[in-house]
Amino acid sequence: QKEVEQDPGPLSVPEGAIVSLNCTYSNSAFQYFMWYRQYSRKGPELLMYTYSSGNKEDGRFTAQVDKSSKYISLFIRDSQPSDSATYLCAMQRQGAQKLVFGQGTRLTINP
Amino acid sequence: DVKVTQSSRYLVKRTGEKVFLECVQDMDHENMFWYRQDPGLGLRLIYFSYDVKMKEKGDIPEGYSVSREKKERFSLILESASTNQTSMYLCASSTRTGAPQETQYFGPGTRLLVL
Repeated sequence: QKEVEQDPGPLSVPEGAIVSLNCTYSNSAFQYFMWYRQYSRKGPELLMYTYSSGNKEDGRFTAQVDKSSKYISLFIRDSQPSDSATYLCAMQRQGAQKLVFGQGTRLTINP
Repeated sequence: DVKVTQSSRYLVKRTGEKVFLECVQDMDHENMFWYRQDPGLGLRLIYFSYDVKMKEKGDIPEGYSVSREKKERFSLILESASTNQTSMYLCASSTRTGAPQETQYFGPGTRLLVL
């Protein structure tokens, strides 16, 4: 069983829809939870990170962590075609240098 | 702006060839990483280095080696390329703390095809 599971999609939604992307994990030692966005033919870039449980909001993006369920989510409100990308969740133990990534979900926002 | 550059965007090699992938970062980062990215499998860590001449195996080191002679440069070596090493290779760097707010900065990737 993978430490981090993410549905690879693809996911296709109309412009303006609310998008929900999710990951589950098995290692309760993870303390930092990140979302990376990767445009086609580019490297991933950090979008948001959250420490431990709770919510974090940044503009149209909201990251949620539920440690009791070992479940994290990224919500995108008022989705735009420019949000079309692959979204990767990543997790990190306290003090660790390495990240553990999910498989990535390919998202397309249709105009 | 943090810059991580990779020597090639696309490479085509033959089975059995020795392949060098080079990565350079300009932010004086201590940590450097090599990943491969395959559909349905996400990013998998091959090797990482936390200092010059230091290296640690990641999750899938078999068939690969690395070299870090200078702080800014981290090379991935495929001693004898095989078709199952056809993949996208991504290099990343980060500061020593590895804290998420310091993040890992990624290069644009090298798409390697082994025939």
